[in-house]
Amino acid sequence: EPEVTQTPSHQVTQMGQEVILRCVPISNHLYFYWYRQILGQKVEFLVSFYNNEISEKSEIFDDQFSVERPDGSNFTLKIRSTKLEDSAMYFCASSEGRGGQPQHFGDGTRLSIL
Amino acid sequence: AQSVTQLGSHVSVSEGALVLLRCNYSSSVPPYLFWYVQYPNQGLQLLLKYTTGATLVKGINGFEAEFKKSETSFHLTKPSAHMSDAAEYFCAVSAGNNFNKFYFGSGTKLNVKP
Repeated sequence: EPEVTQTPSHQVTQMGQEVILRCVPISNHLYFYWYRQILGQKVEFLVSFYNNEISEKSEIFDDQFSVERPDGSNFTLKIRSTKLEDSAMYFCASSEGRGGQPQHFGDGTRLSIL
Repeated sequence: AQSVTQLGSHVSVSEGALVLLRCNYSSSVPPYLFWYVQYPNQGLQLLLKYTTGATLVKGINGFEAEFKKSETSFHLTKPSAHMSDAAEYFCAVSAGNNFNKFYFGSGTKLNVKP
């Protein structure tokens, strides 16, 4: 069965540094998402992406965050200047459509900010 | 706005016993509802979904859930727990065809005792 793959599985970064989290969505999917889960808290929506642009974003997704689909397969989340509170598990997801279509999740990248 | 409440952050059952994981939602529009399971160090795997039609939906691994509009609930059940069911379970709601965002509950960790 096709999978969403995320790299790296664990990223350790110094505060203030830039970090890029990478995802390869399922190949025939058109919608892409990033969620995060701070330890002990809910999985929170960050952003959705369709047709090479952001279709929806949460209040968490401020100017420090950006997303890109640099080629036909990768989908990236960049955090420009990391803060301690960015430490979390970041999940990438993709879906064929929106609304009632299920989102398929990767295994996540654990981001630790020192 | 949409939200999800999962009652019971931890549920413990004996192997062979009924599993009941509770989910209540709030939605200003007809909801699409999902249950996901997360095994340690893995991503979220779709168990089942409700969009329209039959209110009792069956998923993988013997799980099922019933959409009850009058109770705003979407509880997850399995008649007989197996040791391999031990994991964390997340209920999620999306707001309908024009929206991509999933709102997740806080999760319920299921422990299965031999």
